[in-house]
Amino acid sequence: EVQLMESGGGLVKPGGSLRLSCVASGFTFSQFTMYWVRQVPGRGLEWVSSVDRSTTVYYADSLQGRFTISRDNAKSSVFLQLSSLRVEDTAIYYCARGGSTLIRRPDLDWIESWGQGTLVTVSS
Amino acid sequence: SFELTQPPSVSVSPGQTASITCSGDYLGNKYVSWFQCKPGQSPVLVIYQDTKRPSEIPERFSGSNSGNTATLTIGGTQTLDEADYYCQVWDSSTHVVFGGGTKLTVL
Repeated sequence: EVQLMESGGGLVKPGGSLRLSCVASGFTFSQFTMYWVRQVPGRGLEWVSSVDRSTTVYYADSLQGRFTISRDNAKSSVFLQLSSLRVEDTAIYYCARGGSTLIRRPDLDWIESWGQGTLVTVSS
Repeated sequence: SFELTQPPSVSVSPGQTASITCSGDYLGNKYVSWFQCKPGQSPVLVIYQDTKRPSEIPERFSGSNSGNTATLTIGGTQTLDEADYYCQVWDSSTHVVFGGGTKLTVL
């Protein structure tokens, strides 16, 4: 069974930083693209970032370079470093796994499994 | 940047067929996924690569994609299908894109 467990969320002041972690189990972690998607409670889904099995990274343009994604295959973990946080970054952050094992074909991938999410609150 | 447009809401009577659309330029040239979101729960994949259904998703969920419009169809809609539904694609410039979501009401 695929399991994704996020941690690291919490309350942080504007301008602060936070590191989110996601530990995976139940599959061969190194073979899949990993995603971070966020959702402001009561609003829509917003893709944040993803890293594929060749460690190619992608970011939403709206982040303006403030977030950094990384993965550690030895620990079956993916991370999201959040910096220069703003009030509008307040959201539930979900870790998710892709469905395809194809290399460098993000157009053929899909988001198959989701974690329970971790809440990030940015407030003074 | 690539955008996906969904109707904000769709209503359907129990047992009837619900259709939720997702529009975007030349959308038929891309693979579309659909997600179901219920309050307090993580999103659930219901359709991927336009028409494929995960094994745990009921057969009443189906998808299609042609031209500029993709459609999620729920046949014999049940009250437990009431949720928000999001379409999603990969675009070479915008990468992962979600639609704005459609609230499905079953009444």
